[in-house]
This record gives sequence, structure tokens and C-alpha cells, in this order.
Amino acid sequence: KAGVTQTPRYLIKTRGQQVTLSCSPISGHRSVSWYQQTPGQGLQFLFEYFSETQRNKGNFPGRFSGRQFSNSRSEMNVSTLELGDSALYLCASSVGTGLQPQHFGDGTRLSIL
Amino acid sequence: QKEVEQNSGPLSVPEGAIASLNCTYSDRGSQSFFWYRQYSGKSPELIMSIYSNGDQEDGRFTAQLNKASQYVSLLIRDSQPSDSATYLCAVNKRGSNYKLTFGKGTLLTVNP
Repeated sequence: KAGVTQTPRYLIKTRGQQVTLSCSPISGHRSVSWYQQTPGQGLQFLFEYFSETQRNKGNFPGRFSGRQFSNSRSEMNVSTLELGDSALYLCASSVGTGLQPQHFGDGTRLSIL
Repeated sequence: QKEVEQNSGPLSVPEGAIASLNCTYSDRGSQSFFWYRQYSGKSPELIMSIYSNGDQEDGRFTAQLNKASQYVSLLIRDSQPSDSATYLCAVNKRGSNYKLTFGKGTLLTVNP
């Protein structure tokens, strides 16, 4: 069974640009969550989608947005990039009902110059 | 009070010893608890899930949960150098079953 697939693996952008990250969940998983990981803050929850609906949102500015498609694939968008947005962005999928664990993709390493 | 707290370490143990990793959480209504292992430069990998008080064993790993004390731990028996990684504790919050809150992780080093 294929795991969670994130693309691209690495991105280099400059301040003010925008970026879109993609996540394909494990087959059969309907929930997709996004996290930002930095050395200082650890893993921080961005948002979670289930059946194309955002069910939970973390404490991030409106520059961070996401969506989910009918095939459960998800995208995350960050507009007006800031230096502090440099981080590892992780996508995790789960069945989405009950208390099942989440499984992570390899992440997208975003560097802002 | 932090929602999920872990000792950042590093925790250093000799090869073959038992490594004990601890985690406390603040929301008494939390219902599911997970341990993830993250190697440097890699993404977190699920190694244990536990939902009820007591012990859950899987090979060399044992997760222990005490809801009254709001405490969850991970024991690694016969530690190997390949176990050297950061271990992340994750907890769901009451009313937000689909959002995991992570501790900042404990760095474990197993010395040959």
C-alpha cells in the first residue's frame, strides 16, 4: 500500500511570493492534516480536512490556506511568504473517523530567501 | 502549562539497556495517545498507539498510559543504536478528535 505522497520535496522561494504544496493520502484515507515543523516550535497543527471540509484549524495567519479535493488529495497554499515561513511542511492522513492515528508523508522543505 | 510536555533530553543509554521516555498532557479529556519516531531529516513515523489505561506492547516497545496522572510513557527494551532518534508524543484533544497536539520531542541516543 502506497504511503502519503508529498510534492515537491524541496522548494526555494523569495519573500512575497506564494507557494502551493500537494499531498496525496494513503488510499482509503479521507482525512488530511497539515503541520509546520521548525526547530524552535516543533510540530504545529495548521489545519485538517475531511471530505473536502475543513474540520479544524490551528493558530496560523490567513496567509496559510488549504483545500481538499473529492479524491481526498489536498493542497496547502501560503501567500506573501515571509522568512519565518521557512520550515518542513508535513502532511498526514488517517481514516478520519474515530481515533485512528495519522501517518505522515516525507514532507516539503520550504526555504525562503 | 504546555498542552503536551516532554523532556527534551538528550537521553543517553547504552546499547542493550531500557530507554524510558515520558510525556504529560494537560487536557484530562484526551482520548488517544501516540508515539512517533523521527530520525534527523526525516518525517515522523508512528510506532505506538494507546487508548486505554495500562500497557500496550509491540515487540521491543511498550507504551504505558495513566489517565488519572495524565501521563504516557514509552519503554524501549534492548535499545539499539538504530533507535537513536527524536521521539514525539502526540495527544488528541477533547472536542478535537481530528487534531493531534505534539510535544516537542525527546532526543534519544543509544551508545554502542
